[in-house]
Amino acid sequence: RKEVEQDPGPFNVPEGATVAFNCTYSNSASQSFFWYRQDCRKEPKLLMSVYSSGNEDGRFTAQLNRASQYISLLIRDSKLSDSATYLCVVSFPSGGSYIPTFGRGTSLIVHP
Amino acid sequence: NAGVMQNPRHLVRRRGQEARLRCSPMKGHSHVYWYRQLPEEGLKFMVYLQKENIIDESGMPKERFSAEFPKEGPSILRIQQVVRGDSAAYFCASSPREGASTEAFFGQGTRLTVV
Repeated sequence: RKEVEQDPGPFNVPEGATVAFNCTYSNSASQSFFWYRQDCRKEPKLLMSVYSSGNEDGRFTAQLNRASQYISLLIRDSKLSDSATYLCVVSFPSGGSYIPTFGRGTSLIVHP
Repeated sequence: NAGVMQNPRHLVRRRGQEARLRCSPMKGHSHVYWYRQLPEEGLKFMVYLQKENIIDESGMPKERFSAEFPKEGPSILRIQQVVRGDSAAYFCASSPREGASTEAFFGQGTRLTVV
């Protein structure tokens, strides 16, 4: 079983649509969760951290369900500039440290 | 405050040569992670270092790959006797402290091509 699993997509949506991505993780001892965004051939950039109580940043809402070991990202009112790959990141315990572990990413294409 | 700096951005090596990738973390950051990304793949963890210490190298191939983060200067990822399969984007990330909740900030990556 993969440590961090995401649907690769692509999700192809029109401008203004609402789109949601899910991510599941295998290690219940994981402590921290993040969503990153990666544009083609560029470095990943932090989009938002994910908290147990859920958190919102503008059009973006992240949720964490520890019992089911999944994380979600909701994007409202999609813009063309939201087109990118969205990476789910989970900090896994490893020998006393925590290692940010990436899913393969979910591709989003927003079209006019 | 400059971000994470990686160089070179692009590196071409012939099979059998050595590749040296450098990463200077953000100012005030003493924790460095290296990841490899193959085409159409996700980022795979390689190694986690603090100044002068390798903390976790569970993702490093057993042969030809090594990493260091000296007291002075950048972190170095070294690949000896490169093969075509080493062609990938190598990303470095830094964080200011250890801890599960610490966010990591990435450099622009080094794209290694082995010919």
